[in-house]
Amino acid sequence: QKEVEQNSGPLSVPEGAIASLNCTYSDRVSQSFFWYRQYSGKSPELIMSIYSNGDKEDGRFTAQLNKASQYVSLLIRDSQPSDSATYLCAVNNNDYKLSFGAGTTVTVRA
Amino acid sequence: DTAVSQTPKYLVTQMGNDKSIKCEQNLGHDTMYWYKQDSKKFLKIMFSYNNKELIINETVPNRFSPKSPDKAHLNLHINSLELGDSAVYFCASSQVELTQETQYFGPGTRLLVL
Repeated sequence: QKEVEQNSGPLSVPEGAIASLNCTYSDRVSQSFFWYRQYSGKSPELIMSIYSNGDKEDGRFTAQLNKASQYVSLLIRDSQPSDSATYLCAVNNNDYKLSFGAGTTVTVRA
Repeated sequence: DTAVSQTPKYLVTQMGNDKSIKCEQNLGHDTMYWYKQDSKKFLKIMFSYNNKELIINETVPNRFSPKSPDKAHLNLHINSLELGDSAVYFCASSQVELTQETQYFGPGTRLLVL
C-alpha cells in the first residue's frame, strides 16, 4: 500500500468552479500535512499546511483534515487558469521525512 | 536573494561519467534534503542531513553520495551515471519549529544521461 495516495487526474474544471482534491495516507501517526503546487518545469511550492483536524482557509484555498479517516483534502474556490498545475499532497511523521503522493494534475478551462 | 539554490540547472552527460550537483540555502535552516522526481512526476526523498549529519538515507545506490560541508550546503555526487539516473533532482531545506516543519524546494537540476 502506498503511503500517500491522491485521486487520479487529470482534473478539468471550468473557470470559476471549485476544484476538489483528495488525499489519503496510511500511517496513523502522521502529524503534519501539506499541499504543494508544481507548475510544469518548476519546483514544488507550498500552498497550504495543516496540522489539526478541521478546516483551514487561506484565500481561495481550503484544506480539510480528518485524522480519524486518514484523509486530507484541498478545495480551490473560484478556480483560475493560473491554478492549472499539479498538486502534490505530502505527509510528515516528524521524522524529517516528507512522503509525497503521485500528484493530481488540474486544468482550469477558460 | 534565492532561498534555496542549485547548480547546475541542466546537466547532460554520458553514461559512466561522474557528476556533482550543488545546493545552498540562505534561510538559516538546520535540515537539508535531496529528492528525485522521475518522469512520472513522483517525488521521492533520497537523503536528509540535519546540522551536517546524515539522518535519512533511503534505498539509494551507493553511486550516490551526499556531502554537507556546512549547514547551508548539501552537495550530491553521482558516480558511474546510468540511464535510469535521468530525472529532476530537487534540493530542499526546512526548520522544525515545535512539531511543525515546512520544506522549501530549490529550482531543480534536470539530469539527462545519454
